Amino acid sequence: GAVVSQHPSRVICKSGTSVKIECRSLDFQATTMFWYRQFPKQSLMLMATSNEGSKATYEQGVEKDKFLINHASLTLSTLTVTSAHPEDSSFYICSAQGASGSTDTQYFGPGTRLTVL
Amino acid sequence: GENVEQHPSTLSVQEGDSAVIKCTYSDSASNYFPWYKQELGKRPQLIIDIRSNVGEKKDQRIAVTLNKTAKHFSLHITETQPEDSAVYFCAASRGGGGNKLTFGTGTQLKVEL
Repeated sequence: GAVVSQHPSRVICKSGTSVKIECRSLDFQATTMFWYRQFPKQSLMLMATSNEGSKATYEQGVEKDKFLINHASLTLSTLTVTSAHPEDSSFYICSAQGASGSTDTQYFGPGTRLTVL
Repeated sequence: GENVEQHPSTLSVQEGDSAVIKCTYSDSASNYFPWYKQELGKRPQLIIDIRSNVGEKKDQRIAVTLNKTAKHFSLHITETQPEDSAVYFCAASRGGGGNKLTFGTGTQLKVEL
């Protein structure tokens, strides 16, 4: 139980284009989803917290107009990187919270490797 | 906000030995402390967690201890195996739905044959 999927696993795009990443909780309803960014050999940096049906809460320094988050249902959240540039290249990971019996445990998706040329 | 420090950043042990990773946190309201294992290019996987109403929790070769007074918690892995080699992250939060995790900087554990 508590499986989280993420799609795509890997994406390469040209500078200036937008990329959408999907995060799904497959066997539970996620009351909250989180989006992280991870650079090589570094820790996970929280970008934003997303609750179904409401606006995401962004961490300080994260541009909300650049990283658009939509949490349309209890099983799906999306992160859109708008007008991507090479410095946005990173490993993006989502997590979902709300599995029965463990409401505060975060279960992570497999991550999306974004490369912007 | 919460600040979590983790030591050491790298740890090499011989197969069969024990490994200990330590974390400290700053927010006295934190009461949920998970540990994640992350292999290269993969997702972080929860290996054990502890809540502040207990001081120790064990699951086979893995144990976690918590000292709320000193605001530190530790991960203990006994009888290490090569497959234990990975990056381990500690984290802390105030618990409950919607509360965010603050992660430590990670420990690269290498178990040598």
